[in-house]
Amino acid sequence: GAGVSQTPSNKVTEKGKYVELRCDPISGHTALYWYRQSLGQGPEFLIYFQGTGAADDSGLPNDRFFAVRPEGSVSTLKIQRTERGDSAVYLCASSLDPASGRAGEQFFGPGTRLTVL
Amino acid sequence: AQSVTQLDSQVPVFEEAPVELRCNYSSSVSVYLFWYVQYPNQGLQRLLKYLSGSALVKGINGFEAEFNKSQTSFHLRKPSVHISDTAEYFCAVSDHGGGTSYGKLTFGQGTILTVHP
Repeated sequence: GAGVSQTPSNKVTEKGKYVELRCDPISGHTALYWYRQSLGQGPEFLIYFQGTGAADDSGLPNDRFFAVRPEGSVSTLKIQRTERGDSAVYLCASSLDPASGRAGEQFFGPGTRLTVL
Repeated sequence: AQSVTQLDSQVPVFEEAPVELRCNYSSSVSVYLFWYVQYPNQGLQRLLKYLSGSALVKGINGFEAEFNKSQTSFHLRKPSVHISDTAEYFCAVSDHGGGTSYGKLTFGQGTILTVHP
């Protein structure tokens, strides 16, 4: 596909359950970002990957959150023991490389809306 | 660290009227500045960016923004809005720390622009 895709588009789960959110970046993009957008707020940075490695995970709120990008393309954000406060839209973005990302050439996916009941 | 403040959470305006959405930022380092738009149930789309040079930057859909370093502001303007401009708008910054920077974005809280007929 031409753009960043995210699946599922919506996820409803119960408190305490485990969820996985998937991001497919634009082909060839080495930089990948995850953000979280809570209701009525702007997106907040979670984690940044350069290739397969998490170069900056300083935005992950706690150790229930984890993300991987094993082959340097698709990334999965994993949330354990979900809480109601995790309800938000999770956004993924990719850029060709860090320099492009720095210059604002980040392309966002449509997001996954997570609802924890 | 950076922070971004969007001074208006909601801006109602009539069609064909001019509009200004205000943004102020705070940073201890030099930054790049951006405006994004988010239509309902869609991903973020970048309207324009300021990296360097002329303080007045033009973007898509007839929007422009002016960087004011002394006031640390980056207000978004459009001389005549359309119904289709109804959306949420986000101001964002990233640091341009040379080789170590990768474009981590810090967003404001968002401004909902509603254009009435």
